[in-house]
Amino acid sequence: GDSVTQMEGPVTLSEEAFLTINCTYTATGYPSLFWYVQYPGEGLQLLLKATKADDKGSNKGFEATYRKETTSFHLEKGSVQVSDSAVYFCAFRDDKIIFGKGTRLHILP
Amino acid sequence: EAQVTQNPRYLITVTGKKLTVTCSQNMNHEYMSWYRQDPGLGLRQIYYSMNVEVTDKGDVPEGYKVSRKEKRNFPLILESPSPNQTSLYFCASSFEGSSPLHFGNGTRLTVT
Repeated sequence: GDSVTQMEGPVTLSEEAFLTINCTYTATGYPSLFWYVQYPGEGLQLLLKATKADDKGSNKGFEATYRKETTSFHLEKGSVQVSDSAVYFCAFRDDKIIFGKGTRLHILP
Repeated sequence: EAQVTQNPRYLITVTGKKLTVTCSQNMNHEYMSWYRQDPGLGLRQIYYSMNVEVTDKGDVPEGYKVSRKEKRNFPLILESPSPNQTSLYFCASSFEGSSPLHFGNGTRLTVT
C-alpha cells in the first residue's frame, strides 16, 4: 500500500553542519510531495512542496527535489542553525494524505 | 490572519465523560481532518471531511465522532473517552485535494 519512509531520529548536528533527511515514498499515482516542520508546542507547518517530477521545493534555506525515478524527496540544508531544531515530516498527497513518522532534529550550538 | 483554531489546548478528563474538541478555520477550506499524534507512531488520521455534510473514516476512527454542519467548523467528539485516547490531537484544513494542509496548534488530551 501507499507509504512514506523517512529516516529515524533523533538526528543531532552541530550548528553550520550540512543536513540531509531521507524520505522515500510508495504510491500508485503521481502525488504532490511535502515537508512539514513541527516546532515544540506547535502544530505542523508547511516547509516546502513539489507537485511534479524534477520540481525543487525550497524555503528558509531548505531544499528538496521530487525524484520520480527513485521515488524520493530528501530534505537538505547547507548550514543548519539552532533554531532549526524541530521534528520534520515528509508527506505525500494523492487521493489520500500519507505522513512519515517524523524525524527529530537537534542542533547543538 | 488565516488560521485553524482548536480549543481547548489542554484537557484532562476522566474515563467515560463525553467531551468535544472544537476546530474552526477562516480560510473557506473545503477539506478538514483530525489527526492524533503519538510517540513512535507519527500522525494518524481519525476522520476527514471533503465538504459540508460529508465525512469519512480515516485510519483510527474507533471511539470518535465528527460532524460538518458548516464549512468552517469540524468538531471532534469523544462520547466515552478511555485512557488509550490520551494523545495530542491536531485539526487541519486545506482548500482541496492536492493542496497543503494548514494545522491547528493541537489539543493535548489526558484521560484518567
